[in-house]
Amino acid sequence: DTGVSQNPRHKITKRGQNVTFRCDPISEHNRLYWYRQTLGQGPEFLTYFQNEAQLEKSRLLSDRFSAERPKGSFSTLEIQRTEQGDSAMYLCASSLMYSSYNEQFFGPGTRLTVL
Amino acid sequence: RKEVEQDPGPFNVPEGATVAFNCTYSNSASQSFFWYRQDCRKEPKLLMSVYSSGNEDGRFTAQLNRASQYISLLIRDSKLSDSATYLCVVIHNAGGTSYGKLTFGQGTILTVHP
Repeated sequence: DTGVSQNPRHKITKRGQNVTFRCDPISEHNRLYWYRQTLGQGPEFLTYFQNEAQLEKSRLLSDRFSAERPKGSFSTLEIQRTEQGDSAMYLCASSLMYSSYNEQFFGPGTRLTVL
Repeated sequence: RKEVEQDPGPFNVPEGATVAFNCTYSNSASQSFFWYRQDCRKEPKLLMSVYSSGNEDGRFTAQLNRASQYISLLIRDSKLSDSATYLCVVIHNAGGTSYGKLTFGQGTILTVHP
């Protein structure tokens, strides 16, 4: 499967614990995005990487959140000191910078439940 | 006010019906427009881009009215497999820079029944 992959698919954690999610984009895609989706809402933008550079971060991304894309390939999203409000689906998407349709391909997401 | 607003529905229609979804966006600098489809507990997938001239893909027709900041999606001859959430999506041009980040509406739930 050459699509976007995310691991783990599900994560249950206790409040206050740290969690880390991984995203592997489509191999030639240089743009990578993280979004968060809560029940009944559309996805909300969190952050954007162009190659290894993090070029934009949403105000939703508090100091407890950090994202990296060290070699311009896979990306990680870490949440420190998780809170119940962090429970959501975390979606990763990738695209080609010069794609004429700006189509972003989404991974299956990581569903986080904070108890 | 949300940047992209949609009627969340749900819309319940019989097979073969025609159904229309509407969406409005608040940022006049928005530059690109899309409809994404999201099946239950799945990731969003691009359904179609939306152009000012209107565009059609089989049973699906999308329209954009920039003056009214309004986007629509029409589905003709609904199939059971069309049951999903339809997300209205825009890309803003923020200060001349667009990183392609998507701004989603809440989504409109469609259920097509036999």
